[in-house]
Amino acid sequence: GENVEQHPSTLSVQEGDSAVIKCTYSDSASNYFPWYKQELGKRPQLIIDIRSNVGEKKDQRIAVTLNKTAKHFSLHITETQPEDSAVYFCAASIYQFYFGTGTSLTVIP
Amino acid sequence: DTGVSQDPRHKITKRGQNVTFRCDPISEHNRLYWYRQTLGQGPEFLTYFQNEAQLEKSRLLSDRFSAERPKGSFSTLEIQRTEQGDSAMYLCASSGIAGGTGELFFGEGSRLTVL
Repeated sequence: GENVEQHPSTLSVQEGDSAVIKCTYSDSASNYFPWYKQELGKRPQLIIDIRSNVGEKKDQRIAVTLNKTAKHFSLHITETQPEDSAVYFCAASIYQFYFGTGTSLTVIP
Repeated sequence: DTGVSQDPRHKITKRGQNVTFRCDPISEHNRLYWYRQTLGQGPEFLTYFQNEAQLEKSRLLSDRFSAERPKGSFSTLEIQRTEQGDSAMYLCASSGIAGGTGELFFGEGSRLTVL
């Protein structure tokens, strides 16, 4: 089955700086790559996604890039704010979804 | 509320007992997924349904786990002869895109504690 690796496991940044989280996947058939944000005690919620026919997608301060050849994709958060502090999960999907182990992001005011 | 709902939200049981969790997906969604999440880990895939058909089950899933989705609506996840290692959050999610992938909407989860 699919194997998704995510780095780093923890990340601390100063407010206003950028944060980058990277994921790799193993199954070249995966064609959908969502990113989820999970706040403590809450359900994961989709923040951005990208499909395999697109190399980059941006939504305000959040962007995702995909390199199909290298089988990796990244989440970029610019101008970080304290409310961005949460655990972020990447996932790779054909029909079922396989998740990375998560990155705990702390934005220091 | 038309989101994914799960019941019970919390379950404490003794080792060896059976437990059952229920998930009601978003009504128009045809795909339903079960995940298990432990502290500090990402959601671990257990199984998924398209309508009433169980299309895939994780090879890591013990035979003590069984899931059903009668009539393609709500789903149940049963764990027989629970073990302490089964303690986790069990997340249900649904998706509405037939024949492809779409956004997963998660429920609040059912937290299981096995004593």
